[in-house]
Amino acid sequence: QQQVKQSPQSLIVQKGGISIINCAYENTAFDYFPWYQQFPGKGPALLIAIRPDVSEKKEGRFTISFNKSAKQFSLHIMDSQPGDSATYFCAASMVTSNTGKLIFGQGTTLQVKP
Amino acid sequence: ETGVTQTPRHLVMGMTNKKSLKCEQHLGHNAMYWYKQSAKKPLELMFVYSLEERVENNSVPSRFSPECPNSSHLFLHLHTLQPEDSALYLCASSHRPGDEQFFGPGTRLTVL
Repeated sequence: QQQVKQSPQSLIVQKGGISIINCAYENTAFDYFPWYQQFPGKGPALLIAIRPDVSEKKEGRFTISFNKSAKQFSLHIMDSQPGDSATYFCAASMVTSNTGKLIFGQGTTLQVKP
Repeated sequence: ETGVTQTPRHLVMGMTNKKSLKCEQHLGHNAMYWYKQSAKKPLELMFVYSLEERVENNSVPSRFSPECPNSSHLFLHLHTLQPEDSALYLCASSHRPGDEQFFGPGTRLTVL
């Protein structure tokens, strides 16, 4: 019940296209859903995050869509660029937890072709 | 130095060696974390410290021993490791547990 399932494992998109990565969770107590971006040789960096009181959050070309009833959330990257090529991780946690424990998905390697 | 730094960046050790990984955060945060990142697996939380007190030990084998002498420094002491412990070990920090976590670049560990 602590798992977060992420798909696809890898994704190839043409420059200018839309990249979509999906995640699903089981634990309804989760109330914080961040997405992290990781470039080779670097640690993950927070990209965008959402809480379950909204169904969508947009920051620039990055949008999270959240479906509470389906227990699913997704990352959409509009107008994908070669510089977006990286590994993306979804995660979930309980904000009220005294540990801030993040449960991560397995990651999606995105390649944007020029 | 800014953000979260980790040393060494790469480490090769034998199964009988003892080594330590170091993490330092320059963000004034009060919570620090150790994660293990293995190929084809999700990042796994190992330990969480809040105000230098360990608040989470995620069923980590005793051959991994964390130490948090102050809120800016976190160590991971390693001894008698196994080849399957080879991975990228990431340190992170946040203002408080549950706040946005900032990651270091990691230490790539290889156990021979």
